[in-house]
Amino acid sequence: AQTVTQSQPEMSVQEAETVTLSCTYDTSESDYYLFWYKQPPSRQMILVIRQEAYKQQNATENRFSVNFQKAAKSFSLKISDSQLGDAAMYFCAYRSARAGNQFYFGTGTSLTVIP
Amino acid sequence: ETGVTQTPRHLVMGMTNKKSLKCEQHLGHNAMYWYKQSAKKPLELMFVYNFKEQTENNSVPSRFSPECPNSSHLFLHLHTLQPEDSALYLCASSQDLDGYNEQFFGPGTRLTVL
Repeated sequence: AQTVTQSQPEMSVQEAETVTLSCTYDTSESDYYLFWYKQPPSRQMILVIRQEAYKQQNATENRFSVNFQKAAKSFSLKISDSQLGDAAMYFCAYRSARAGNQFYFGTGTSLTVIP
Repeated sequence: ETGVTQTPRHLVMGMTNKKSLKCEQHLGHNAMYWYKQSAKKPLELMFVYNFKEQTENNSVPSRFSPECPNSSHLFLHLHTLQPEDSALYLCASSQDLDGYNEQFFGPGTRLTVL
C-alpha cells in the first residue's frame, strides 16, 4: 500500500514570509496524482493545489507552489507571502491514476502564522 | 446550500445508542466517501460509493453501517460503538472515481462515544 509521510507535525511562519511544508510518499506506480489540502480550524478541508506525476512542470496556484521531485518521491508545498488566513492543517495526499483507487493522506502539518 | 453538508455537526452518544450521520452533496457528483479523522493519524478511508454502489469497505467494523440511497445522500449508521470510535467523521464527494478528480469535503461530524 502507498504511504504518505509528513515529517513536520507543526510549522510556524512570520506573516509575509515564505514557508515550505514537506511531504514524501512511497509508491511503485509511475502514474499518479498528488494533492495538498488545507483544513482551517473548524472549517472544511479544501484543495490547495494538485500535481500530475507525468508533468515535469511544478504546479502553481497564486501564492502556493510545489516542488515535485518524482525520483525522490518528494512533494513539498511552498507558501509565499504568508497570510493569517493560511493558518491551518495541511495534508498531503496521493492517488493512483488507476480509476477507483483511494486517496492516501499524510498525518498533516499544523501551520501557525505569526502576525 | 452548496457543496457538501453534514449533520449533525456534533454528536455525543453512549455505547449502547444507535445514531446516524447524514451527508448531502449539492455538486452533482457520482462518488461519495466516508473518512475517519483522528488526531495525529492519517485520514482513514472507511467506505466509497460510486453511483450508489459500494466500491470500497476498508475492513471497517460492522458497528458502522453505510447507506447510499442515491448519488446525493450518504448515511453512516452507528450502533454499539466503542470509546475509541470517537473522532471527526468526514464525508466527501467527487465527480467520479477518476484519480485526477479532487474530493470536496464536508465540515465533519465530531463524534464522542462515552
